[in-house]
Amino acid sequence: DAKTTQPTSMDCAEGRAANLPCNHSTISGNEYVYWYRQIHSQGPQYIIHGLKNNETNEMASLIITEDRKSSTLILPHATLRDTAVYYCIARSRGGYNAGKSTFGDGTTLTVKP
Amino acid sequence: KAGVTQTPRYLIKTRGQQVTLSCSPISGHRSVSWYQQTPGQGLQFLFEYFSETQRNKGNFPGRFSGRQFSNSRSEMNVSTLELGDSALYLCASSLASYGELFFGEGSRLTVL
Repeated sequence: DAKTTQPTSMDCAEGRAANLPCNHSTISGNEYVYWYRQIHSQGPQYIIHGLKNNETNEMASLIITEDRKSSTLILPHATLRDTAVYYCIARSRGGYNAGKSTFGDGTTLTVKP
Repeated sequence: KAGVTQTPRYLIKTRGQQVTLSCSPISGHRSVSWYQQTPGQGLQFLFEYFSETQRNKGNFPGRFSGRQFSNSRSEMNVSTLELGDSALYLCASSLASYGELFFGEGSRLTVL
């Protein structure tokens, strides 16, 4: 499974868009990019996932580069409640790594008033 | 529908003891995976079960083991506890091995 690299921390002003980058240069063709966030040692919460097309849901948008080596999670209007650790992971759809998810250190996003 | 339930939520053990943690997945989910989270090491994959079979295992010693029952409920066991085993143990379920993960609130283990 591909290793992901994220910045350690980021700040964002409340009401502004938060853009969280993730590098997954060794991602393979059958690995999806998933984003989760974790607040205060609660269980991580699913945000969004994608394979190669850009995706949008009620929480966020996911932009994946054409070569799939990196992606960006966009929270369009960040609120104080979006302060959390955000994890980007590559999750295999099959093969010997199916079911295994490697979480990196994540990005601590702090939304400031 | 009910989420992933982990029990117990908190427990304290002493070195050398063993512990069993339980995870009830979301109804219909057949895959259960376990993670250890510590301040120094972050979220680390322990193992994943699908239909009672261990499909994948992380880099943990043999003291860490698990199993899954026919109703998809899962347990993990840690024997001969060490101080470094103090952590938040998270369980996640998904419909299949590659699906979206739904996490429980975790079991926080303290080893004294």
